[in-house]
Amino acid sequence: SAVISQKPSRDICQRGTSLTIQCQVDSQVTMMFWYRQQPGQSLTLIATANQGSEATYESGFVIDKFPISRPNLTFSTLTVSNMSPEDSSIYLCSAPFGTSGRVRTYEQYFGPGTRLTVT
Amino acid sequence: QKEVEQNSGPLSVPEGAIASLNCTYSDRVSQSFFWYRQYSGKSPELIMSIYSNGDKEDGRFTAQLNKASQYVSLLIRDSQPSDSATYLCASSNQAGTALIFGKGTTLSVSS
Repeated sequence: SAVISQKPSRDICQRGTSLTIQCQVDSQVTMMFWYRQQPGQSLTLIATANQGSEATYESGFVIDKFPISRPNLTFSTLTVSNMSPEDSSIYLCSAPFGTSGRVRTYEQYFGPGTRLTVT
Repeated sequence: QKEVEQNSGPLSVPEGAIASLNCTYSDRVSQSFFWYRQYSGKSPELIMSIYSNGDKEDGRFTAQLNKASQYVSLLIRDSQPSDSATYLCASSNQAGTALIFGKGTTLSVSS
C-alpha cells in the first residue's frame, strides 16, 4: 500500500472564502484523484489531476469552482472557491498503485480526508 | 450512465455469522472491482480487489465476481463487531483510472 497525507484534516470556513487542500503521496504516481463525500453519501469523483496537464473534471464540477494543481508526481492541491454551505463535505484524494504479479493491476488508496464545514 | 448499485442496508448479523454484501454494475467494460470498508469519520480502506471471474479469498474475506451477470459480492466469515462499518463497492473500466462507487451498505455485527 501507500501513504497518502492530506492537510488540513478539517476546517470551518465562512461562505464566500476559499480553502486549498493539499495531498502528498509517498511515491510517484501518474494520476491523482479528488473525490467529494457529502454527509451520508458515497464518494463522487470531482476530477483527475494529471501531472503536466490540465485536470480533467467530471460532469457538474468546473475549474473555476475547484481549481486543481499538480506540480509534480507526488503532490496535488484542490481549492474549493467561493464556498457555500452546500460545499460542506469530506474531500478525499487518492492515487492508484500498481500491484505485483503476472498481470499488472492497480489498487487505489485514499488519504485521510479533509472535513470541510462552511458556515 | 455508469452505475454501481448496492443495497444500503443496514445489514445486521450476529457475531460469528457470515455477512453477505452484494453489488451490481451497469458498465460491461468494467475490468476491476474493489471493496472498501469505511468506518464513521474515516476514509475508505481497501480490503479486497478482484479482476477475474470466480472467487478470491483473503483471510475472513471472500470476493466473488461474475462478469456475465455483472455482479460482485463480498462474504465476511466469522463476523466480528469490529466489522461494523459501511462497505463500498467500486469499479473501474481501465487499470489505474478513477473509480465509480456504489452508495455503500452499512453492516452491523451484534455481539
